[in-house]
Amino acid sequence: KQEVTQIPAALSVPEGENLVLNCSFTDSAIYNLQWFRQDPGKGLTSLLLIQSSQREQTSGRLNASLDKSSGRSTLYIAASQPGDSATYLCAPLSGGSRLTFGEGTQLTVNP
Amino acid sequence: GAVVSQHPSRVICKSGTSVKIECRSLDFQATTMFWYRQFPKQSLMLMATSNEGSKATYEQGVEKDKFLINHASLTLSTLTVTSAHPEDSSFYICSARASTSGSLTDTQYFGPGTRLTVL
Repeated sequence: KQEVTQIPAALSVPEGENLVLNCSFTDSAIYNLQWFRQDPGKGLTSLLLIQSSQREQTSGRLNASLDKSSGRSTLYIAASQPGDSATYLCAPLSGGSRLTFGEGTQLTVNP
Repeated sequence: GAVVSQHPSRVICKSGTSVKIECRSLDFQATTMFWYRQFPKQSLMLMATSNEGSKATYEQGVEKDKFLINHASLTLSTLTVTSAHPEDSSFYICSARASTSGSLTDTQYFGPGTRLTVL
């Protein structure tokens, strides 16, 4: 059974800082891994999807890396802004098209 | 991009009543839809996988007679919470997989969620 852990659980930083969010998973037999953003009381917004054959993906100020063999992924956020405040979830896709979610990192970026 | 809608966005009901939540893929066909539940301060937990025209597959610990899932068309899946109780209060989120290639790894697109409160 896939288990996903995200560290830290919460993070509060001043605007402008560069951040690293960590995700680890126990079963390395994954097809891909997605990072999502969830605002309070809302659904999920997909940020980045990394295929199992890829090492990283970039979108604007976001960069996600994947080390499948060690069961780790990181999300790097450059020059953080207050609008980045949200909960960030990682979810590897395993057999049976099953997405397993971590409990997320709650990010607060202070102006 | 692909859009998934859910209706209603919020529902409050009395204990013992049934509530139906709809999940629609608006601009693509989805042969597979997924239902998740999220309790406060917790992550999303998969409840069931719904394939169009066949019975849903439920995760361990999810009561299939309590959470009825119907996936009658390629754009609509419904989740009915039967005889709802306060402990069923949660945030229910659906996702739909765009099956353009038939691959099991096609992207899942998520709906905005439905907040259920059972009094």
